[in-house]
Amino acid sequence: AQSVTQPDIHITVSEGASLELRCNYSYGATPYLFWYVQSPGQGLQLLLKYFSGDTLVQGIKGFEAEFKRSQSSFNLRKPSVHWSDAAEYFCAVGGYGGSQGNLIFGKGTKLSVKP
Amino acid sequence: EPEVTQTPSHQVTQMGQEVILRCVPISNHLYFYWYRQILGQKVEFLVSFYNNEISEKSEIFDDQFSVERPDGSNFTLKIRSTKLEDSAMYFCASRADSYEQYFGPGTRLTVT
Repeated sequence: AQSVTQPDIHITVSEGASLELRCNYSYGATPYLFWYVQSPGQGLQLLLKYFSGDTLVQGIKGFEAEFKRSQSSFNLRKPSVHWSDAAEYFCAVGGYGGSQGNLIFGKGTKLSVKP
Repeated sequence: EPEVTQTPSHQVTQMGQEVILRCVPISNHLYFYWYRQILGQKVEFLVSFYNNEISEKSEIFDDQFSVERPDGSNFTLKIRSTKLEDSAMYFCASRADSYEQYFGPGTRLTVT
């Protein structure tokens, strides 16, 4: 069965520091990959997506993610974190064979930003 | 920028009561979804809807749940007889032909 693993439940970084959030997926082929962000009490906002092609994808708010097929990973990065980036981040897989594109989410990584 | 909207933002109901959660997807989208997120847990898929019928549903989506697109704009999730464990945030999402889904702000359902 398809699954998504986000090994870090909670990460704290200092403002201005770089960030990498890890995501691994389990699937027999290359699925569609997504990162969503959820601020407290808010819905899910799409940060970026990977469908095919260039394995380094750029998203909103200065985020990027790199797809590595050999590692079944799709890690999210940002070179310099801002206090407003504090939120929960979800990696998701979708578009696998036979589905109507419903997403499977990881458990999320909560990001705290120190001043 | 078009967005998915959901009403109400918070619904409190007693166990055994029926609730209807409403969503207005983005107007040119064709695929519609409901997900739920129990407090502190991950977002879980409930059901997908396309061409006026359910296309896929999860094990969570049992006979107590139903979905409907009563007109050209609304998409509803009904829970017939709520249980305490139905307390969660319910998200509606929609998409066009591309697989990227756009989520609404959610409805927090509290069953007492």
